[in-house]
Amino acid sequence: ETGVTQTPRHLVMGMTNKKSLKCEQHLGHNAMYWYKQSAKKPLELMFVYSLEERVENNSVPSRFSPECPNSSHLFLHLHTLQPEDSALYLCASSQGRQAAHYEQYFGPGTRLTVT
Amino acid sequence: GNSVTQMEGPVTLSEEAFLTINCTYTATGYPSLFWYVQYPGEGLQLLLKATKADDKGSNKGFEATYRKETTSFHLEKGSVQVSDSAVYFCALTPKTGGFKTIFGAGTRLFVKA
Repeated sequence: ETGVTQTPRHLVMGMTNKKSLKCEQHLGHNAMYWYKQSAKKPLELMFVYSLEERVENNSVPSRFSPECPNSSHLFLHLHTLQPEDSALYLCASSQGRQAAHYEQYFGPGTRLTVT
Repeated sequence: GNSVTQMEGPVTLSEEAFLTINCTYTATGYPSLFWYVQYPGEGLQLLLKATKADDKGSNKGFEATYRKETTSFHLEKGSVQVSDSAVYFCALTPKTGGFKTIFGAGTRLFVKA
């Protein structure tokens, strides 16, 4: 595997379910990101981890819970979601602590539908 | 605060037409600037970047110049192809530390054969 991979690619869940999204990067990067992409809205940064420490947390509801067990893996745990949480969830990674100098590499996303 | 404004789409062009997608920004200091492209069913991928004023980023026939006097980073291509149909995002990352990249709303481009 190369680049940034995400599983599953599609997920349909009820509002009472618990599920997790997984992201893995094979680039040797040390920062990882979760974004939410909704139709007709700008990309929303949810969480950032640098060297497995959470460094950004953008007022995301507690029904979204991130986990970064090591620099290659990032999870987003989901529980009691709402229909408005339906969106494309993108994972990204970048190298270095100087974020401004480095581009982000994105996975293909997980298309989440909450019924 | 930091923000990015890009032209609304969709933009529809015929093959071999000239493309310009406008992007202007507001930021403290001199951020790094990026253009990302998202093809259908995929995540974003970097198209080009510029990290200081007057830098020109270029890739796959696309170009953008970092203009601090007009706080702009317009994307151009001299001759578009059907395969360029995608959504294009302008973005900035402040150099003041942190990991927050600000993305524009995206501009969808359709290229007709």
